[in-house]
Amino acid sequence: DAGVTQSPTHLIKTRGQHVTLRCSPISGHKSVSWYQQVLGQGPQFIFQYYEKEERGRGNFPDRFSARQFPNYSSELNVNALLLGDSALYLCASSSGTGGGLALTDTQYFGPGTRLTVL
Amino acid sequence: KQEVTQIPAALSVPEGENLVLNCSFTDSAIYNLQWFRQDPGKGLTSLLLIQSSQREQTSGRLNASLDKSSGRSTLYIAASQPGDSATYLCAALSGNTGKLIFGQGTTLQVKP
Repeated sequence: DAGVTQSPTHLIKTRGQHVTLRCSPISGHKSVSWYQQVLGQGPQFIFQYYEKEERGRGNFPDRFSARQFPNYSSELNVNALLLGDSALYLCASSSGTGGGLALTDTQYFGPGTRLTVL
Repeated sequence: KQEVTQIPAALSVPEGENLVLNCSFTDSAIYNLQWFRQDPGKGLTSLLLIQSSQREQTSGRLNASLDKSSGRSTLYIAASQPGDSATYLCAALSGNTGKLIFGQGTTLQVKP
């Protein structure tokens, strides 16, 4: 079975532009989470979605938004890019058998999208 | 507010050595704690997940323990190999939002 997939692999943008990152969860998984990992640090939680609804939001500005589609894939959108948005963006999926609460679910991560803002 | 800390930030050992990576967390009200491996420029690979009701989990040469009362988890790697060289991250799941709180990681180098 395919794992979590993300596209694109790498992306270069300039300040002020908009970017859309995409994630396809493991087949059968209903929950998707997004994380930002700046070089040398651990990932920081951005969003979690379950059954197309936002279930959690981290401490990120409103320039960051996301959505989940009926097939459980997800998009992360970032507007008005800043240099500090340069990072590895990770998507994780979990089965959501705990009703989306992920109380016992292992989160499986994709390979990430490397975003560079110039 | 949950904070997760990993010490040391980097570790270099000769091949064959047994080693322990440390992870501490400030809020003992966690649902589970997960250990991940990350190779340079890559995503995260889940190694072990310990539920809050469990004390340890084992997979091959890896053993992870959890002590909620002291706010600590350890990852034990037996008979280390050069292929174990990577960054190891621990993450605590707090609350019901699926939000993992990560430490900054320990970068391990195993020398042949």
